[in-house]
Amino acid sequence: GENVEQHPSTLSVQEGDSAVIKCTYSDSASNYFPWYKQELGKRPQLIIDIRSNVGEKKDQRIAVTLNKTAKHFSLHITETQPEDSAVYFCAAVYSGSARQLTFGSGTQLTVLP
Amino acid sequence: DTGVSQDPRHKITKRGQNVTFRCDPISEHNRLYWYRQTLGQGPEFLTYFQNEAQLEKSRLLSDRFSAERPKGSFSTLEIQRTEQGDSAMYLCASSSGTGMNTEAFFGQGTRLTVV
Repeated sequence: GENVEQHPSTLSVQEGDSAVIKCTYSDSASNYFPWYKQELGKRPQLIIDIRSNVGEKKDQRIAVTLNKTAKHFSLHITETQPEDSAVYFCAAVYSGSARQLTFGSGTQLTVLP
Repeated sequence: DTGVSQDPRHKITKRGQNVTFRCDPISEHNRLYWYRQTLGQGPEFLTYFQNEAQLEKSRLLSDRFSAERPKGSFSTLEIQRTEQGDSAMYLCASSSGTGMNTEAFFGQGTRLTVV
């Protein structure tokens, strides 16, 4: 099955700086890679996703890049704000019949004011 | 709120008791997933329904875990003879369509504590 590794596990940045979170996946047939943000005690919420036919996608301060050859993808947050503080999870859609998400272990992002 | 809803939000039970959780997906979504999330980890896939058919259940953690979606709408997850290791957040998610690339919407989860 799919295996997704995520780094770093914790990340602290100053407000206004950029944050980068990296993930690698194992199933070369995966072709959908969402990123979820989870605030304490709340549900995971999709913030951006990318499909395998695209190398980069941007939405305001958030961007995701995908390198299919290397099987890794990254989340980039620019001009970070305190409200960006949360746990971020990358995921990949496994090519099995259920199309379930396989998640990384999460990154606790703290934006210091 | 017309999103995915789960009930109860919190459940405390004694070891050995049975518990049942309910998930109401977004109404037009035919796909329903159960995940388990332990502290400091990402959600871990448990089982999947397409309409009323349970198409993937090999990831259920043991035979004490079972799930149903009798009419293709709401779903229940039951854990029999609970153990302390079952303490976790149980998340339900739903999505539409048959393609690989559809967004999964998560519920707020049911936090289970086994004492």
